[in-house]
Amino acid sequence: DAKTTQPNSMESNEEEPVHLPCNHSTISGTDYIHWYRQLPSQGPEYVIHGLTSNVNNRMASLAIAEDRKSSTLILHRATLRDAAVYYCILRDVSGGGSNYKLTFGKGTLLTVNP
Amino acid sequence: SAVISQKPSRDICQRGTSLTIQCQVDSQVTMMFWYRQQPGQSLTLIATANQGSEATYESGFVIDKFPISRPNLTFSTLTVSNMSPEDSSIYLCSVVRQMNTEAFFGQGTRLTVV
Repeated sequence: DAKTTQPNSMESNEEEPVHLPCNHSTISGTDYIHWYRQLPSQGPEYVIHGLTSNVNNRMASLAIAEDRKSSTLILHRATLRDAAVYYCILRDVSGGGSNYKLTFGKGTLLTVNP
Repeated sequence: SAVISQKPSRDICQRGTSLTIQCQVDSQVTMMFWYRQQPGQSLTLIATANQGSEATYESGFVIDKFPISRPNLTFSTLTVSNMSPEDSSIYLCSVVRQMNTEAFFGQGTRLTVV
């Protein structure tokens, strides 16, 4: 599985934007970039995913570098509820319908200050 | 979305005993998975629960220790057998409705073995 590298921790202030980086220099053409987050004492929840183009949804934006070797999850206005561990995961879709393995790294612990 | 009910939410068990964890989804899903999250660690995939056939285990996990059932498209169980304190972890059920969509996670079962 392709690997991702994220900072261990980041800190932000409430109502300010947050940019969470992820490096994936060995990404292959069939790897989708997924972001999940895990709030304290909860299971992970899906945030966003993309392949090549930047993506936006109600939770966040995903900016993908042109060479796809890095990406950035953008929270436009952090709230206290956004404090969580954020995981950047590459999911290989080349296996077709039988392959849906998510390999979680250590992720980035985001602290949001009031 | 998918509503996942995991039972029990937590348990304290004696070493040498077994615990069966249930995962119930509110509607049919394509794939079901079981993960383990050891204290302070990230998630590790244990196995893919296959409907009507033997689960597919990841490296380091075996059926004798973690038997899994999936009798239909909405229900699965994971048994942690002959438990030792090293099995103290959070066990999480995850589902995928259709390929190339997001994964959903249950709240987890917090297991303590004494």
